[in-house]
Amino acid sequence: EAGVAQSPRYKIIEKRQSVAFWCNPISGHATLYWYQQILGQGPKLLIQFQNNGVVDDSQLPKDRFSAERLKGVDSTLKIQPAKLEDSAVYLCASSMTSGSFGQETQYFGPGTRLLVL
Amino acid sequence: GQSLEQPSEVTAVEGAIVQINCTYQTSGFYGLSWYQQHDGGAPTFLSYNGLDGLEETGRFSSFLSRSDSYGYLLLQELQMKDSASYFCAVLQTGANNLFFGTGTRLTVIP
Repeated sequence: EAGVAQSPRYKIIEKRQSVAFWCNPISGHATLYWYQQILGQGPKLLIQFQNNGVVDDSQLPKDRFSAERLKGVDSTLKIQPAKLEDSAVYLCASSMTSGSFGQETQYFGPGTRLLVL
Repeated sequence: GQSLEQPSEVTAVEGAIVQINCTYQTSGFYGLSWYQQHDGGAPTFLSYNGLDGLEETGRFSSFLSRSDSYGYLLLQELQMKDSASYFCAVLQTGANNLFFGTGTRLTVIP
């Protein structure tokens, strides 16, 4: 079974530039998550989709971050404009989620390492 | 608000047993998960406790006490490959998503 795919793996940009990350979840997984992980910290949830609808985006800095999941499969996360403090690893994860509440194992992709100069 | 506390670093000897504690404060608690992350790698799921008590999966066990807002991960027969960061994460009611702690970096020495 293929895992969660992310691209690019690394990105270096200058502040005020724009950047976009792509994620392809595990086939059949309805729920997709984007996390930001700053060095030395745990992953912080940015946005959660179930199919193509947003479930939780309470921690997404909406003035500069946006995300979409068209057709309920692939997703893109965009930062525009980037700030120095956005330097982090951006992790995508997916889970099966049948719709009933309960523990769903999240499967993480390898992440995109962003450095903002 | 939510908070999770776990030790920042732990060192243990190969073949030994190590326990990583996690205490939490959250407005809505459903369960506690543990994830492992090697340097440069993706977090991978280890264990979940939705009820009080011990869950065992091979060399790894996890414990939860809801009344104490406390859990731990127990790693037995430590191997060098267990050197990694370990995160506890609260599954929150209403959101069905995870709030992660800051992680415990485990170093296994020969």
